[in-house]
Amino acid sequence: QVQLVQSGAEVKKPGASVKLSCKAYGYTFSKHGINWVRQAPGQGLQWMGWISPHNGNTNFAQNFQARVTLTTDTSTRTAYMELRSLRSEDTALYYCTRDRDYDTISAHWGQGTLVTVSS
Amino acid sequence: DIQMTQSPSTLSAYVGDRVTVTCRASQNIYNWMAWYQHKPGKAPKLLIEKASTLQSGVPSRFSGSGSGTEFTLTISSLQPDDFATYYCQQYNTYSATFGQGTKVEIK
Repeated sequence: QVQLVQSGAEVKKPGASVKLSCKAYGYTFSKHGINWVRQAPGQGLQWMGWISPHNGNTNFAQNFQARVTLTTDTSTRTAYMELRSLRSEDTALYYCTRDRDYDTISAHWGQGTLVTVSS
Repeated sequence: DIQMTQSPSTLSAYVGDRVTVTCRASQNIYNWMAWYQHKPGKAPKLLIEKASTLQSGVPSRFSGSGSGTEFTLTISSLQPDDFATYYCQQYNTYSATFGQGTKVEIK
């Protein structure tokens, strides 16, 4: 079945960058997009962006367009999300999710990666 | 970006109650509406897509309705396993926005 396995927790200082990974199993990687969604402590879900492993096309929420890079490696079936210029407000649980049909719905979810930004 | 306004933010109900959560979009999203259930310590779970299509394995007491800008999630008879936070989400081929969430609590 579809499984998304995310990398482990990260602790970063303000101003640093973090790069998270998401390895996909159980489906043809190039046929479905990957979304990134985050949840800050006590807050709701926030969609960050989407990437197509097929052609590298990306879409971003306005809030993240300047600081986020999404990439994929089809040889290892892995998606990556890099967030730059980290600030304390970026402390959150970050999820990768698989879409349904080149849309931004989150049909399948990874287990989440906790990123803590602290000096 | 399309804005989603979800209400109420918290809902207290008894087991067996009929529960309704509402979501309003800032512009016409046709039927590009999804609903998720989120329990503490777990990843969210997709319940409904395209406003009313129930995912496989989701109990039939859950239902979704609406189109355009007004949408509802209904739980016909609340069960102990249903106490969670529910999110609406507008989605399409280029963007997505979640509502603020509705926490369903035991009364």
